[in-house]
Amino acid sequence: EVELVESGGGLIQPGGSLRLSCAASGFTFSNYYMHWVRQAPGKGLVWVSFISSEGSTITYADSVKGRFTVSRDNAKNTLYLQMNSLRAEDTAMYYCARVVHGGYDYWGQGTLVTVSS
Amino acid sequence: DIVMTQSPLSLPVTPGEPASISCRSSQSLLYSNGNTYFAWYLQKPGQSPQLLIYLGSNRASGVPDRFSGSGSGTDFTLKISRVEAEDVGVYYCMQALQTPFTFGPGTKVDI
Repeated sequence: EVELVESGGGLIQPGGSLRLSCAASGFTFSNYYMHWVRQAPGKGLVWVSFISSEGSTITYADSVKGRFTVSRDNAKNTLYLQMNSLRAEDTAMYYCARVVHGGYDYWGQGTLVTVSS
Repeated sequence: DIVMTQSPLSLPVTPGEPASISCRSSQSLLYSNGNTYFAWYLQKPGQSPQLLIYLGSNRASGVPDRFSGSGSGTDFTLKISRVEAEDVGVYYCMQALQTPFTFGPGTKVDI
């Protein structure tokens, strides 16, 4: 069974850093592009970043470019999102998702990041 | 960036009756390989989103056949042939033609 499990969220002060993890199981992780999508409380879905299957291609939303870094460890079946210089507007549920045929066929349960003093 | 718009933003439904949601993109989502990179998702209350339709009209695995997707280019429709109580939630359209992938604002469906 395919499973994506995010972790690493929490309460952090503005300007702080967090690293999110997404542990994948039930499929050959190294074969798939992976994405991060976030959702502010009560708001819609916003794409954050993607990384290709081998990590050679990476793209970020303008709102996080220069502050967030996506990476993956295919040996550990894990996707990461290093988030630096966090702002209040980064407060959101962060989801990792697997993309197939242009659609996110599996999503994690999400990890909540709250940026507040 | 490709802008996605949805209508209506709120849709009261009656169990057993049909329902329809529209989505429009600011540019064609047809790629040179013939695929249309458009998807529909449902986010039930308190849950992660789930894929309903991909490549414009393909039903995702496990999705009931009362859900259907149609459209091409820039105009797309999600239809529910007979709404069930479990179909309540927020429906999002999304384009996957180019990054940044972008979502519509969502359509809240409730009984």
